[in-house]
Amino acid sequence: QKEVEQDPGPLSVPEGAIVSLNCTYSNSAFQYFMWYRQYSRKGPELLMYTYSSGNKEDGRFTAQVDKSSKYISLFIRDSQPSDSATYLCAMSRGGSEKLVFGKGTKLTVNP
Amino acid sequence: DTEVTQTPKHLVMGMTNKKSLKCEQHMGHRAMYWYKQKAKKPPELMFVYSYEKLSINESVPSRFSPECPNSSLLNLHLHALQPEDSALYLCASSLLSGAPGNEQFFGPGTRLTVL
Repeated sequence: QKEVEQDPGPLSVPEGAIVSLNCTYSNSAFQYFMWYRQYSRKGPELLMYTYSSGNKEDGRFTAQVDKSSKYISLFIRDSQPSDSATYLCAMSRGGSEKLVFGKGTKLTVNP
Repeated sequence: DTEVTQTPKHLVMGMTNKKSLKCEQHMGHRAMYWYKQKAKKPPELMFVYSYEKLSINESVPSRFSPECPNSSLLNLHLHALQPEDSALYLCASSLLSGAPGNEQFFGPGTRLTVL
């Protein structure tokens, strides 16, 4: 079983839709959870960072962490064509230098 | 300023060439990282520098040689690479190596092609 599982998609939605992206993980030692957005042929951009269980909202983006289920989500409201990218979840144990990434989900938002 | 810069943006080299990739950040971060990313794959960690000292080498072949001249600069020296080394090379930095959270900020990458 991989440490982090992420459905690679691809996921295609119409403009304005609510998008839900998810990752599951197996290591209960993970404490810090991140979502990165990566446009084609560019470096990953840190979107959201959360610690332990709970929700965090930033504009149209909401990150949720459920440590009891070992499940994290990223919701995008009112999705825009500019949100079309690959979304990578990443997590770390805390005090660790190594991020463990999911495989990434490719999202396309159609105008 | 949450910017990590990398040069060059693109690099084509032969298997006998020697070249270097450069990364720079001015955020006061004391941990810097090199990652390799192949198409449709997540980034793979190569090296970590913490306070200008190499702290992690993920069993990377010796044809890749990292260097951290100061807290703002990170280089990756390349020599005798193979075509399978062609990839996007990403630099990242974080405030403190091993600190809780360890939010890493990535640069735009150098796209390397080895002929």
